[in-house]
Amino acid sequence: EAQVTQNPRYLITVTGKKLTVTCSQNMNHEYMSWYRQDPGLGLRQIYYSMNVEVTDKGDVPEGYKVSRKEKRNFPLILESPSPNQTSLYFCASSLQLNYGYTFGSGTRLTVV
Amino acid sequence: ELKVEQNPLFLSMQEGKNYTIYCNYSTTSDRLYWYRQDPGKSLESLFVLLSNGAVKQEGRLMASLDTKARLSTLHITAAVHDLSATYFCAVSTGANSKLTFGKGITLSVRP
Repeated sequence: EAQVTQNPRYLITVTGKKLTVTCSQNMNHEYMSWYRQDPGLGLRQIYYSMNVEVTDKGDVPEGYKVSRKEKRNFPLILESPSPNQTSLYFCASSLQLNYGYTFGSGTRLTVV
Repeated sequence: ELKVEQNPLFLSMQEGKNYTIYCNYSTTSDRLYWYRQDPGKSLESLFVLLSNGAVKQEGRLMASLDTKARLSTLHITAAVHDLSATYFCAVSTGANSKLTFGKGITLSVRP
């Protein structure tokens, strides 16, 4: 089944403890992105990638890192999480810019 | 800075009636997307509009794009309960995948 898989689905962590949220797609898509969704703010793009080793900042990149070493994987790294990074995170991928994105199921992160 | 505005933010619809929701954006864009999100779920792609005058239809939903007015509309024909969800528009420009979303419009269909 064609899909974008994020793990974990739920995560509670403490301030400052490094974490990685994984994202993998099995559709050979070129484009991948990370978003956070917060009540009243909609979705905001964190980072995006147009191909292997090509990444760029979205609107809210502070406090996050990404890497794209392989086409299928696009992990989101929080080196030192803070409570203001508590949010619902979505990974998405697309074959081309003129196609809609396929979204993962989301990761609900709570930083205490 | 690209801004995307959706209105209204919440719309209560009566079953069987027609409605239109709007998406405005502030600068020239190359692609406009519509997505649907059910409560507690992920986002589902509905439409991608690429050129002025583009119109796409799927079931009771029809999306159109006016690039001169920087406006996209999503028309709902004969609303049914299954259409209750939050609808987001998003805009991107150029040869990259930077995407800016509106805050979403929550539609609720009542009998």
